[in-house]
Amino acid sequence: RKEVEQDPGPFNVPEGATVAFNCTYSNSASQSFFWYRQDCRKEPKLLMSVYSSGNEDGRFTAQLNRASQYISLLIRDSKLSDSATYLCAVNRGGGFKTIFGAGTRLFVKA
Amino acid sequence: DAGITQSPRHKVTETGTPVTLRCHQTENHRYMYWYRQDPGHGLRLIHYSYGVKDTDKGEVSDGYSVSRSKTEDFLLTLESATSSQTSVYFCAISEHTKDQGAKQYFGPGTRLTVT
Repeated sequence: RKEVEQDPGPFNVPEGATVAFNCTYSNSASQSFFWYRQDCRKEPKLLMSVYSSGNEDGRFTAQLNRASQYISLLIRDSKLSDSATYLCAVNRGGGFKTIFGAGTRLFVKA
Repeated sequence: DAGITQSPRHKVTETGTPVTLRCHQTENHRYMYWYRQDPGHGLRLIHYSYGVKDTDKGEVSDGYSVSRSKTEDFLLTLESATSSQTSVYFCAISEHTKDQGAKQYFGPGTRLTVT
């Protein structure tokens, strides 16, 4: 079993829809959590950190559930420009190694 | 923009040849990483560095070596390239904060094809 797992998708949604992705992690010692966005043939870019209390950045909301060991990303009012692959990432805190999920592909259509 | 460049951006090489990829950063970050990304596997850590001349192995280090003689440069060498090393290689740096852990920033990537 992989340490960080994501549904690969693809998720196909119309513009304006709300879509949510989950990411599960197996190491309970994990302390830092992130979502990255990767456009086709580009490098991953940090989208947002995930805080224990949940956090929001515009149309994006990230949440952490330590008891069930998953993080989630909610995108409201989807835009065509949100089409990308979303990677979750988990770090064990203070360490150098970040484990990435394989990504979830999102297609937003007009 | 984390000021990370990679060279070359694209390379085609033959099986058995040595290949060196370069990562250059301009912001004096202490931690640097090399990942490879393949369909279905996501990003996998090859090697990382926590300072000049300080490096360690990641999860897929076989067939790769690294060197860091200056803070700004982190080199990845494929000693004898094989077709299984055809991949996209990303360099990254990390910024560490107490409350937010290690945020990573990536270079633009190198597409390597081994024929």
